[in-house]
Amino acid sequence: EVQLVQSGAEVKKPGESLKISCKGSGYSFTDYWIGWVRQMPGKGLEWMGIIYAGDSDARNSPSFQGQVIISVDKSISTAYLQWSSLKASDTAMYYCARFVSGMFDFWGQGTLLTVSS
Amino acid sequence: EIVLTQSPGTLSLSPGERVILSCRASQSVSSSCLAWYQQKPGQAPRLLIYGASSRATGIPDRFSGGGSGTGFTLTIGRLEPEDFAVYYCQQCADSPYTFGQGTKLEIK
Repeated sequence: EVQLVQSGAEVKKPGESLKISCKGSGYSFTDYWIGWVRQMPGKGLEWMGIIYAGDSDARNSPSFQGQVIISVDKSISTAYLQWSSLKASDTAMYYCARFVSGMFDFWGQGTLLTVSS
Repeated sequence: EIVLTQSPGTLSLSPGERVILSCRASQSVSSSCLAWYQQKPGQAPRLLIYGASSRATGIPDRFSGGGSGTGFTLTIGRLEPEDFAVYYCQQCADSPYTFGQGTKLEIK
């Protein structure tokens, strides 16, 4: 059974750094892309970027370029989304999902990030 | 960037009704590159339709997708209570692989 399990909810202050994770299981992790999707409170889905787990080739949305870093550690089947300096506007739910043939077929449960002073 | 515009924003309907949701692209999208997702409150999105018209595993046949070029549709043949949710389209023709803004189906 394909599963993506994300790290737990976070509460951070502006300016702090953070790295959230997404661990894949039940499939050959290095044969697939993993993507990240943002959902701000009460809003729609935003495509942030994808990374190929086999070689860390990444494609980022221009909207998020320079704001976040997408990475992967294939030795532990885990993808990451990280920020170096959080802002209040980063408050959102973040989903990881397996990306195949242009679509997200399996999704993680989401990680809720709250950034507040 | 390809912009996907979904309409209407919100639909109020009753169980048993048939509904057609629209997704229009700002430029042509290959039919193999259009997907639909369902999201219920407090849940992650779920893949419904890929390749514009293929149902994902376990999706009931009351859900069907169609369209080509810049116009795509998601049809729900007969609404069940569990179908009231938000629906998103997404394209993979050109990076960033954008989502539409969503259509909310609410119970009338």
